[in-house]
Amino acid sequence: EAGVTQFPSHSVIEKGQTVTLRCDPISGHDNLYWYRRVMGKEIKFLLHFVKESKQDESGMPNNRFLAERTGGTYSTLKVQPAELEDSGVYFCASSPLEAGGIEQYFGPGTRLTVT
Amino acid sequence: QKEVEQDPGPLSVPEGAIVSLNCTYSNSAFQYFMWYRQYSRKGPELLMYTYSSGNKEDGRFTAQVDKSSKYISLFIRDSQPSDSATYLCAMTSGGYQKVTFGIGTKLQVIP
Repeated sequence: EAGVTQFPSHSVIEKGQTVTLRCDPISGHDNLYWYRRVMGKEIKFLLHFVKESKQDESGMPNNRFLAERTGGTYSTLKVQPAELEDSGVYFCASSPLEAGGIEQYFGPGTRLTVT
Repeated sequence: QKEVEQDPGPLSVPEGAIVSLNCTYSNSAFQYFMWYRQYSRKGPELLMYTYSSGNKEDGRFTAQVDKSSKYISLFIRDSQPSDSATYLCAMTSGGYQKVTFGIGTKLQVIP
């Protein structure tokens, strides 16, 4: 069984540009989460999808971030326009519907560098 | 004050030692307590989770939760060089509530 995959693994963009991160969860996992880890800080929750619906987006920093999960499968996280403070590692995780946030499977992350 | 406090280390121990990793928390609503292991340049991997207070054992790993003290621990027996990684505690009140992570403790097991 394939794990959670994320693309790209690393992205370097200039301030003001747009970047789109993609996450493919484990097949059949209805829960999909996005997290971010800024250097020297904890992993922070961004948002949670149940199937295609946003269950909780309380962690999204501001309206420059837009997450979608069309058809309840893969998800994208777009940052537009990117700012320096958006640099960090963005993790995606998924879990079966009944597991909620307790048994999450993480992807390897996308390392975003904004210069 | 952070909701979850964890010493970032690094913690260096000789192979075969017993390792104790700890977190404290302030939110009494937390009911589920997880430990993740993260190798360099990889995503976190769930080791085990505990519901409410008590102990849970899985091979060389034992998780303990003391809700009265808001203190959780992970013990690793007979530590191996392959255990060298960052260990993150995480907790949630359950259901669809968000998960809060500690900063992670970097562990190095010296052969």
